[in-house]
Amino acid sequence: QQQVKQSPQSLIVQKGGISIINCAYENTAFDYFPWYQQFPGKGPALLIAIRPDVSEKKEGRFTISFNKSAKQFSLHIMDSQPGDSATYFCAASPLELLTDSWGKLQFGAGTQVVVTP
Amino acid sequence: KAGVTQTPRYLIKTRGQQVTLSCSPISGHRSVSWYQQTPGQGLQFLFEYFSETQRNKGNFPGRFSGRQFSNSRSEMNVSTLELGDSALYLCASSLGESTGELFFGEGSRLTVL
Repeated sequence: QQQVKQSPQSLIVQKGGISIINCAYENTAFDYFPWYQQFPGKGPALLIAIRPDVSEKKEGRFTISFNKSAKQFSLHIMDSQPGDSATYFCAASPLELLTDSWGKLQFGAGTQVVVTP
Repeated sequence: KAGVTQTPRYLIKTRGQQVTLSCSPISGHRSVSWYQQTPGQGLQFLFEYFSETQRNKGNFPGRFSGRQFSNSRSEMNVSTLELGDSALYLCASSLGESTGELFFGEGSRLTVL
């Protein structure tokens, strides 16, 4: 049972456009929500992360929006570039020690983003 | 600073064999986690070690095991390999005090024939 649901499975966006990826979770113990970027042949790399005390976090062209009441969060990639073509994973976990799920990230299924020139 | 190093990068085994994968974390990182990545199931947590102790484990059969050494290096072992064990096995290290940034290696791609 997937604890974090991610959509869409794939998306194609033109250079300069906005890519939007959505995730939803059920476990209210989750309080750490990172996004990872993975290129072919490489391991995932942390892109940006948010904790539920803020509703939005921006780092460069990447923004996370977080809706605690709806238990949803999303990644926006502004001014998408061909170099952003990769698979993006949302994830969630509890932040603190001594919970059942501590230390293990629950990943979404991933979104393959293709940015066309 | 060197990243997470996993060996071997690629390996082919046959059903029934066993395999050991190795992971060297970033210097100073005391936590090592292992994940299995497949096209069908995505990224799934296997187990996490901190200071040589397994702190958490995922829902995998007992054929999957791991350990961590005093220098924080970790190994995972899969015994009696099945076709479905074909996957990319990713190791990630972190400081380990809380769920913070995981630094992933490039993975060991296992093919079971």
